[in-house]
Amino acid sequence: EAQVTQNPRYLITVTGKKLTVTCSQNMNHEYMSWYRQDPGLGLRQIYYSMNVEVTDKGDVPEGYKVSRKEKRNFPLILESPSPNQTSLYFCASSPRTGLNSPLHFGNGTRLTVT
Amino acid sequence: QKEVEQDPGPLSVPEGAIVSLNCTYSNSAFQYFMWYRQYSRKGPELLMYTYSSGNKEDGRFTAQVDKSSKYISLFIRDSQPSDSATYLCAMRRMDSNYQLIWGAGTKLIIKP
Repeated sequence: EAQVTQNPRYLITVTGKKLTVTCSQNMNHEYMSWYRQDPGLGLRQIYYSMNVEVTDKGDVPEGYKVSRKEKRNFPLILESPSPNQTSLYFCASSPRTGLNSPLHFGNGTRLTVT
Repeated sequence: QKEVEQDPGPLSVPEGAIVSLNCTYSNSAFQYFMWYRQYSRKGPELLMYTYSSGNKEDGRFTAQVDKSSKYISLFIRDSQPSDSATYLCAMRRMDSNYQLIWGAGTKLIIKP
């Protein structure tokens, strides 16, 4: 089944403890992206990647890191999480960079930082 | 002011009603307009997309774009309880590779 898989689905951690949220897609998509979703603010892009070893900042990159060493994987790293990073995170992928290419989303990771 | 405004709802209507969901935007450079549907505890999925002004129909769903008013709509005919979800509008400039600007989403509840 074609899908974007994120892990874990739920994560509770403490301030400053490094964590990684994994994202993997099995559709051979070139484009991958991370979003956070907060009530009243909608989806905001954190980082995106046009292809292997090519990453760029989105609208809210502060406090996050990403890497794209393989086409299928795009992990999101929080080196020193803070409570304002408590949010619902989504990974998404798309087959090409055409303007009407649909984004395929994972089912989200709910992160709580205390 | 946000670039894309969307009423968060919730919007509650009886089964069978016609539903109208809307977004307004401020940037006249937006050319591609999309509607995504998000069920609870799931990621968004693309429902429809339109380019520039006009209407596009797909089954019970119609997407409408009025660029002169900077206003887009999604109509759902013969609404079903399974349509209960959050509907997100998103839009993109012609020259933007992948920069999608999202509305905050409208929560829709269809009562049986």
